[in-house]
Amino acid sequence: EAGVAQSPRYKIIEKRQSVAFWCNPISGHATLYWYQQILGQGPKLLIQFQNNGVVDDSQLPKDRFSAERLKGVDSTLKIQPAKLEDSAVYLCASSLGSTGWSTEAFFGQGTRLTVV
Amino acid sequence: QKEVEQDPGPLSVPEGAIVSLNCTYSNSAFQYFMWYRQYSRKGPELLMYTYSSGNKEDGRFTAQVDKSSKYISLFIRDSQPSDSATYLCAMSGMDSSYKLIFGSGTRLLVRP
Repeated sequence: EAGVAQSPRYKIIEKRQSVAFWCNPISGHATLYWYQQILGQGPKLLIQFQNNGVVDDSQLPKDRFSAERLKGVDSTLKIQPAKLEDSAVYLCASSLGSTGWSTEAFFGQGTRLTVV
Repeated sequence: QKEVEQDPGPLSVPEGAIVSLNCTYSNSAFQYFMWYRQYSRKGPELLMYTYSSGNKEDGRFTAQVDKSSKYISLFIRDSQPSDSATYLCAMSGMDSSYKLIFGSGTRLLVRP
């Protein structure tokens, strides 16, 4: 079974520039998550999709971050403009559902973003 | 107060030791409890998954949940250098919109 695919693996940008990350979840997984993991911290949920719809985006800085999941499959996360504090690993995960046994989330390897 | 608290470590133990990792939480709505392992520069991978209170064993790993104390543990027996990683606890509730909340992770180093 193919895992969660993310690209790019690494990205270095200057502050105020824009950047986009791409995620392809495991086939058949209805729920897709974007997490931000700052060095030395646990993953923090940015946005959760159930199929096409947004379930939770309460911790997404909406003035600069946006995400979409077209056709309930692939997803992109965009930052515009980037700030120094956005330097982190951005993890995409997917699960069959969003509760109970189906909450088991499978993670991609992440995109390491450095803002200079 | 954070919803999930986890000692960041690092925790350094000799090979063969029994390791105990712990998390506390504040939200009584959490019903599903997970432990993830994260190697350096990799995404987290699920190790153990338990529902409500009780114990679950899988090889050298045992997960315990005490909902009355809002406390969960992961025990690793006969620890190996390959167990060196960051261990993240995670939990979620029953509601269909309930998100998966992670602890900050405990870094474990098993010395040969």
